[in-house]
Amino acid sequence: AQSVAQPEDQVNVAEGNPLTVKCTYSVSGNPYLFWYVQYPNRGLQFLLKYITGDNLVKGSYGFEAEFNKSQTSFHLKKPSALVSDSALYFCAVRDILGGNNDMRFGAGTRLTVKP
Amino acid sequence: EPEVTQTPSHQVTQMGQEVILRCVPISNHLYFYWYRQILGQKVEFLVSFYNNEISEKSEIFDDQFSVERPDGSNFTLKIRSTKLEDSAMYFCASSEIRVDNTEAFFGQGTRLTVV
Repeated sequence: AQSVAQPEDQVNVAEGNPLTVKCTYSVSGNPYLFWYVQYPNRGLQFLLKYITGDNLVKGSYGFEAEFNKSQTSFHLKKPSALVSDSALYFCAVRDILGGNNDMRFGAGTRLTVKP
Repeated sequence: EPEVTQTPSHQVTQMGQEVILRCVPISNHLYFYWYRQILGQKVEFLVSFYNNEISEKSEIFDDQFSVERPDGSNFTLKIRSTKLEDSAMYFCASSEIRVDNTEAFFGQGTRLTVV
């Protein structure tokens, strides 16, 4: 079965600095990878996905993520963090071609951007 | 923009009572999911549903849980005899099953409090 790991519970960055939120994955087939963001008392909002093609994918709110097959990683990045980026970030994986269509989430990383 | 809607937003129930959480997925979606999140922690997969039957379920989804699509629009999660540890935020999600459009869209969640 597919799984993801987010090794950091918490990431703190200063506003204007670059940010990285880490994610590694494990699948038996081809990984379809996703990042979601959750603001306080809200549901999960889709940020971006990797299906195939370019390893660097761009998403909402200036976020991007880089798929690295050799390192089985899909780290979320943003060149210049905003205070409003403070939220809970979840990495997720689906392995459709492996026969398991459900989406599995990492434990989440709480990003705090300080002014 | 189409969205997944969940009702109620907050449900308080006594231990041992049955609850039904309701969801209206996006109309052209064919895959439906329930996830839960305990106190802002990890998002846990419960069950996926496709073609009027359960596609996948996790170890959390025991005999106390059931899902149903009673008509062409609603997707429900029933907990037969609630326990204190069932208190969580429950998220419904839906997705298309096209390979190139695989992200799941989430509702705002139902906060279930078992007392």
